[in-house]
Amino acid sequence: QQPVQSPQAVILREGEDAVINCSSSKALYSVHWYRQKHGEAPVFLMILLKGGEQKGHEKISASFNEKKQQSSLYLTASQLSYSGTYFCGTELFRNNDMRFGAGTRLTVKP
Amino acid sequence: DAGITQSPRHKVTETGTPVTLRCHQTENHRYMYWYRQDPGHGLRLIHYSYGVKDTDKGEVSDGYSVSRSKTEDFLLTLESATSSQTSVYFCAIRPGVGTEAFFGQGTRLTVV
Repeated sequence: QQPVQSPQAVILREGEDAVINCSSSKALYSVHWYRQKHGEAPVFLMILLKGGEQKGHEKISASFNEKKQQSSLYLTASQLSYSGTYFCGTELFRNNDMRFGAGTRLTVKP
Repeated sequence: DAGITQSPRHKVTETGTPVTLRCHQTENHRYMYWYRQDPGHGLRLIHYSYGVKDTDKGEVSDGYSVSRSKTEDFLLTLESATSSQTSVYFCAIRPGVGTEAFFGQGTRLTVV
């Protein structure tokens, strides 16, 4: 039931773009995205509740394809501050729990 | 910042001893979760609670138990600690389904 994230790691130069994917084998009620800096707690980025919904947060946006049970996180014109590990979290219908993927380690270099 | 506190923040314990980790919130949120974080595995759900005295198992619940006698406190107990339970444990809270989760600062547990 744990969602599958890809890629496991990505290295970028400042200003480059990246896409992180999250998929589930079960029907999803929502998809969450979090970022964790080394030694810190995960921090919420955004949540997607509807099929096909796309949300944005400055230069970070995400989409949710309800038919495919997939979500993608888009980071455009990456900054050094984007470095960290990104996790997707998923909720199923009529379920109280939230499961997370294994994470994607993003490194942005000058 | 959401009012969520984990204690202790660091603990070293011996194999076979019981250990209790505490998660305390001041937000009156309904849902509380315990996760463990290990390299390569991300955040794995141990147990969660959807109300006082209402708890359920997650994906890695063996060897762990939980209790929630008050809205604000969610306790995680390792009944007999093993080296495989060495990990960083995170508590998370949220008001309802479809809402964002707030994480505590984590507890680093080492079982020797």
